[in-house]
Amino acid sequence: QVQLVESGGGVVKPGGSLRLSCAASGFTFTDFYMGWIRRAPGKGLEWISYIGPNSHFTNVADSVKGRFTISRDNAKRSLYLQMTNLRGEDTALYYCARSKAGVGPHPNWFDPWGQGTQVTVSS
Amino acid sequence: SYGLTQPPSVSVAPGETARITCGGYKIGDRRVHWYQQKAGQAPIVVVYDDADRPSEIPERFSGSNSGSTATLTITRVDAGDEADYFCQVWDGSQDHVVFGGGTKLTIL
Repeated sequence: QVQLVESGGGVVKPGGSLRLSCAASGFTFTDFYMGWIRRAPGKGLEWISYIGPNSHFTNVADSVKGRFTISRDNAKRSLYLQMTNLRGEDTALYYCARSKAGVGPHPNWFDPWGQGTQVTVSS
Repeated sequence: SYGLTQPPSVSVAPGETARITCGGYKIGDRRVHWYQQKAGQAPIVVVYDDADRPSEIPERFSGSNSGSTATLTITRVDAGDEADYFCQVWDGSQDHVVFGGGTKLTIL
């Protein structure tokens, strides 16, 4: 079955870095866009970044631009999120999710989602 | 940037119909997707492309989208529907995915 498993979360000090990973199985990884979405305590879902099947199309949210970088390794069926200069407001549960392309070269709806990996930024 | 507005909370009695709205400028011109997130679980899509439903989602869940408002309708609600619900669209002008703020559905 389709499965997405995130890893790499943890506790980090402000200004620190983390690299999240998402291992995909049960589907043709190169047929899909992938994305990262987070949910901070007491807040709603916030889209962070997406990447196209061949990494040609990517984008990140303004809140993390210049600090977070998305990438994928199709041979390893893995998605990554490199996070640098972390702030307290980055504390959240980070989900990876799969998406078919929309009408144009962009993601559509996300299905399924992984169970998430917790990132806590605290001194 | 494009914004989506949802009521923070909606409360309905068991067996009644819940309607959760998602407001946005000319949202009727966009494709709207809806997610359900229960406590401690990952989100799942319950409606995509305004009104389509994954096969595993009950027919009680339906969606509509016109003008400035998209609506998720849940008929004959029960305790198992208690969750946070989020709408989502694609903002082509910014190349961004946009989520609404979310609505907490409480079954009385």
